[in-house]
Amino acid sequence: QKEVEQNSGPLSVPEGAIASLNCTYSDRGSQSFFWYRQYSGKSPELIMSIYSNGDKEDGRFTAQLNKASQYVSLLIRDSQPSDSATYLCAVNKFTGGGNKLTFGTGTQLKVEL
Amino acid sequence: DTGVSQNPRHKITKRGQNVTFRCDPISEHNRLYWYRQTLGQGPEFLTYFQNEAQLEKSRLLSDRFSAERPKGSFSTLEIQRTEQGDSAMYLCASSWGGQETQYFGPGTRLLVL
Repeated sequence: QKEVEQNSGPLSVPEGAIASLNCTYSDRGSQSFFWYRQYSGKSPELIMSIYSNGDKEDGRFTAQLNKASQYVSLLIRDSQPSDSATYLCAVNKFTGGGNKLTFGTGTQLKVEL
Repeated sequence: DTGVSQNPRHKITKRGQNVTFRCDPISEHNRLYWYRQTLGQGPEFLTYFQNEAQLEKSRLLSDRFSAERPKGSFSTLEIQRTEQGDSAMYLCASSWGGQETQYFGPGTRLLVL
């Protein structure tokens, strides 16, 4: 079982729709969770972080965390063509030496006109 | 705050050659991370520094790889005797102690011929 799992996609949504991206993780000791956006050929860019169960909203983005189910999701409202990218879920477990991130393989999102 | 910078942005080398990459973190960040990303995969952790101390190394970091952060500011990652399997994007990230969020640089794309 992979430590962090995401559907690779592509996930296609029409412009203006809600895009829902999902991620599961295997280590119950995981403490913090991040969503990064990565355009083709570029480096990851932080979108959201979430640390406690529930929802966290930032503009058009909402992150949801359910530690009991080991599940984290990202909702993008009013999707725009510029949102087309790969979305990486990352999980952090403090190892005593630092905060190593473990990434999923990413979900490719395509927002169609 | 100019963000994390990496140099060079691209490197093409022949198998067996040595290469060195540099990362300059965000100025007040004391933690620095190296990751490697291959096509279709999420970034994979390589190593981590807190100030000048290298506190963790992944098993991915073979003895051909060495990283330093001599003055607790910039870091270098050297790959000796490069192999074609080393071709990847090498990403540097930094964070401030007490904050878990990691910010990535633009990456160095390595191609070993």
